[in-house]
Amino acid sequence: EDQVTQSPEALRLQEGESSSLNCSYTVSGLRGLFWYRQDPGKGPEFLFTLYSAGEEKEKERLKATLTKKESFLHITAPKPEDSATYLCAVQAEGYQKVTFGIGTKLQVIP
Amino acid sequence: DTGVSQDPRHKITKRGQNVTFRCDPISEHNRLYWYRQTLGQGPEFLTYFQNEAQLEKSRLLSDRFSAERPKGSFSTLEIQRTEQGDSAMYLCASSYIGADTQYFGPGTRLTVL
Repeated sequence: EDQVTQSPEALRLQEGESSSLNCSYTVSGLRGLFWYRQDPGKGPEFLFTLYSAGEEKEKERLKATLTKKESFLHITAPKPEDSATYLCAVQAEGYQKVTFGIGTKLQVIP
Repeated sequence: DTGVSQDPRHKITKRGQNVTFRCDPISEHNRLYWYRQTLGQGPEFLTYFQNEAQLEKSRLLSDRFSAERPKGSFSTLEIQRTEQGDSAMYLCASSYIGADTQYFGPGTRLTVL
């Protein structure tokens, strides 16, 4: 069964203090790995899709990377508006189902 | 492009009652998905439609749950004889055939008293 483990569960950063969120996964044939951002009481907002080891994608202060066992979401010089829960998810080859981790709750303090 | 919409946004019901939620996907998206999310957890897959056909169902989808997408556009999720354990956020997502990214709606928050 596909599994996604995210760490840490919660992270508190000062504004401008860069850090990384970790996503470890096991899946029988990776079709895609996804990162989403979720604000309280709202649906997940799509950030990135990664398909193969070595792939990297960037958007503003966020950069996602992928290895065969892990993905990292790097946050450079975060701002308070980056505070949210960041969800990692995987999709196996041949399936539409996406398996999510429990997320990392990020708080950026001014 | 107005995004995925869900109705209602909040629903409070008493145990034993039936509830129905609606999802309108992004226009021209052929695939539609239902997920359930409880507090402090990530979304859990329930079921998926490609056009009108329901192609994948999770073991989480008990006999009390039924989903339909009669014309390949909007979808409904019905929960019969609700239980307190059904309290959760019910999320809908949609995507194109051939594209992997699923775009989520705002969710319906269900509270069963």
